[in-house]
Amino acid sequence: DAGVIQSPRHEVTEMGQEVTLRCKPISGHNSLFWYRQTMMRGLELLIYFNNNVPIDDSGMPEDRFSAKMPNASFSTLKIQPSEPRDSAVYFCASSSPGPDTEAFFGQGTRLTVV
Amino acid sequence: AQSVSQHNHHVILSEAASLELGCNYSYGGTVNLFWYVQYPGQHLQLLLKYFSGDPLVKGIKGFEAEFIKSKFSFNLRKPSVQWSDTAEYFCAVADDMRFGAGTRLTVKP
Repeated sequence: DAGVIQSPRHEVTEMGQEVTLRCKPISGHNSLFWYRQTMMRGLELLIYFNNNVPIDDSGMPEDRFSAKMPNASFSTLKIQPSEPRDSAVYFCASSSPGPDTEAFFGQGTRLTVV
Repeated sequence: AQSVSQHNHHVILSEAASLELGCNYSYGGTVNLFWYVQYPGQHLQLLLKYFSGDPLVKGIKGFEAEFIKSKFSFNLRKPSVQWSDTAEYFCAVADDMRFGAGTRLTVKP
């Protein structure tokens, strides 16, 4: 398996624009996690899905952020409108069913909002 | 939700020194715990995990961690660090894969 695939790897956008980050989890995994990593705030869990259903979105910073998982093989994280403080590395991770499984991370998307 | 806390924000060691990074979790019931490592510019990778059984867990690259239920701790150890261990280390709880703040380790050659 190719692992968790995120796109794009780098994104530079202007303030106010819409940004969409994409994630393809490992086939067979049923949990998917979105994280944001910054120097100031560390690694924050934004939202996670189980069987395509959002379970906990309490980490989503504000209404400008939204996440969807229309099927088991694809998820998006959208920021609209984007702001400079959204600049960060966004990671997606997935894990397989069962209580003793770890999360596998994608390479991340480095977002810069200017 | 369960949470984890890491008390050491930045640790600086010389090569061959011993390492211990602290991790405490909040929940007293059944708990599953991980340590991940993030090398500069890379994504997180699993070092080791604890789910049940022997509380002393051995992972990759000579790392180990001990689960001490009475202390709510899962500290990461390595007897002799190398320059290549320079990275950020994260403790996580399996409930919802929530991570601690991370500990940055710098190993001086």
